[in-house]
Amino acid sequence: LAKTTQPISMDSYEGQEVNITCSHNNIATNDYITWYQQFPSQGPRFIIQGYKTKVTNEVASLFIPADRKSSTLSLPRVSLSDTAVYYCLVGDYTGNQFYFGTGTSLTVIP
Amino acid sequence: KAGVTQTPRYLIKTRGQQVTLSCSPISGHRSVSWYQQTPGQGLQFLFEYFSETQRNKGNFPGRFSGRQFSNSRSEMNVSTLELGDSALYLCASSPGANYGYTFGSGTRLTVV
Repeated sequence: LAKTTQPISMDSYEGQEVNITCSHNNIATNDYITWYQQFPSQGPRFIIQGYKTKVTNEVASLFIPADRKSSTLSLPRVSLSDTAVYYCLVGDYTGNQFYFGTGTSLTVIP
Repeated sequence: KAGVTQTPRYLIKTRGQQVTLSCSPISGHRSVSWYQQTPGQGLQFLFEYFSETQRNKGNFPGRFSGRQFSNSRSEMNVSTLELGDSALYLCASSPGANYGYTFGSGTRLTVV
């Protein structure tokens, strides 16, 4: 089971870029890396998924180095509404992708 | 496009009772997974169904069970409820392998 390690919490000012790094030293060849965002009393929301190098969508970028033992979620110019818990998951359809860690609680400060 | 629908949104049950929660996935999504979320334990994986078969299972007692129907709708059942079963139960669906999951808003279960 590929275990992930993330910082418990982070603070950032509005308008700044936020980078959240996740360590997954035991990632397997078939594993994808997926990030979710969760607001209180809501289900997690899929943000981005990648396998290697860099992936970008309308809300975030995901950087994955060549060894894939870590990944970094980058949120450009955060706003107060980005205050949430961010989870990094690794795995494939065989089962690992279902295990959420403690996540990173991001607080955006005005 | 409708999202993942979970019913009911809120539920209050008494210890010892059983409960059934329902989940309607996004149309075309064949994988449905269930999670329990509590303040103390975080998000914990219960089980995943794909084409009516349980494909993955988390570490929960046998009181927790589920099933998936041919239209991909899923139900989970908890028998002999305990106070510790009070939680937000989340359902998520996915079109298939290595796609992200779309979560529903959850069912808030309170056991008294």
